[in-house]
Amino acid sequence: DTGVSQDPRHKITKRGQNVTFRCDPISEHNRLYWYRQTLGQGPEFLTYFQNEAQLEKSRLLSDRFSAERPKGSFSTLEIQRTEQGDSAMYLCASSFRQGPNYGYTFGSGTRLTVV
Amino acid sequence: SQKIEQNSEALNIQEGKTATLTCNYTNYSPAYLQWYRQDPGRGPVFLLLIRENEKEKRKERLKVTFDTTLKQSLFHITASQPADSATYLCAFILTGGGNKLTFGTGTQLKVEL
Repeated sequence: DTGVSQDPRHKITKRGQNVTFRCDPISEHNRLYWYRQTLGQGPEFLTYFQNEAQLEKSRLLSDRFSAERPKGSFSTLEIQRTEQGDSAMYLCASSFRQGPNYGYTFGSGTRLTVV
Repeated sequence: SQKIEQNSEALNIQEGKTATLTCNYTNYSPAYLQWYRQDPGRGPVFLLLIRENEKEKRKERLKVTFDTTLKQSLFHITASQPADSATYLCAFILTGGGNKLTFGTGTQLKVEL
């Protein structure tokens, strides 16, 4: 297992287009998290799944954002009608349910640029 | 309002010295505190975890302290090396918070020869 994989690494899109990112977590981890990070800031929580259930969504996650985790394996994050303010690094992390006793494993992120 | 503050100014130190990074918080009662390292263009990498009832944790050249009275965590790297240059993030997990991490803004460390 090579850790958490995210695809693509970079995405440039025109304002108004839809984009979709994929995250493949560590296979034994049942919790999956999405974060967003802008330059000079720490990652901000967006949403998380336990298995296939989406258990919490941040206020940051507007109606244009949707995340899925079918079958409790990989996850996708879709942004519809992208805006320039969506430009950021989108990070995925996974953990065991007992996560607080262990670190979270992050992927390398998808850097989105909206032009 | 809840705040997690890390020094936004970069910390420059000489190789071999001890680097000390600070994480202060207000209006939080974190159950766990974690420290991560982040290199440019990469995701954070977990370093250390400390629980609210622990005062200090060590791992090789790393040491973390957690003072719930001062509402502060200190992160130390002893015998620092240029390879330690990175941004270091503190993150909280709140009791009953779904185990999601709440991050500080990070402090950039540069270790010079």
